[in-house]
Amino acid sequence: GAGVSQTPSNKVTEKGKYVELRCDPISGHTALYWYRQSLGQGPEFLIYFQGTGAADDSGLPNDRFFAVRPEGSVSTLKIQRTERGDSAVYLCASSTTSGRAKFFGPGTRLTVL
Amino acid sequence: TQLLEQSPQFLSIQEGENLTVYCNSSSVFSSLQWYRQEPGEGPVLLVTVVTGGEVKKLKRLTFQFGDARKDSSLHITAAQPGDTGLYLCAGGWAGGTSYGKLTFGQGTILTVHP
Repeated sequence: GAGVSQTPSNKVTEKGKYVELRCDPISGHTALYWYRQSLGQGPEFLIYFQGTGAADDSGLPNDRFFAVRPEGSVSTLKIQRTERGDSAVYLCASSTTSGRAKFFGPGTRLTVL
Repeated sequence: TQLLEQSPQFLSIQEGENLTVYCNSSSVFSSLQWYRQEPGEGPVLLVTVVTGGEVKKLKRLTFQFGDARKDSSLHITAAQPGDTGLYLCAGGWAGGTSYGKLTFGQGTILTVHP
């Protein structure tokens, strides 16, 4: 597809479980971003990749959150020991190396029961 | 802590009215973007402004970046029901590890009634 895709679109899990959220960026985009959006709020920055490396992970809330992008394309956001407060929509975006224009995916809605 | 404050948070108007949404910060940004988001979708970029005092127009939408690059406004003329959505401003920085990172405001939910 031409846009950013994210899977799954919805994820319901129980407190304490481990989850993985996947992002497929636009082909050729070297920069990839993860954001988290709580109900009624704007997106909150989590982490930014340039190629395979995390250029800025200052937004990750704690060590339960981890993200990888091993081949510089697909990225996975991993959350260990999920808590109810992790419930939110997790958005992924991609851009060219120097591009200000970010293209967002539809998000994954995570619900922790 | 939100570095960008948007106002108003909610706006409900009739078709044909004009409106302005404000985005204010105590920080200087190298660029300011406006996005529109519909339910179940990701934000879609409307415009990027980079120069203090810059004004950009997109059909009925007018965007302005403050002279000091700390604030911005979005003005919609003759609003239509299709303008309904969540409007987000986002500030960006140039250079270093912060390049590409955006800080978003909390958003303005606009509802335009026919």
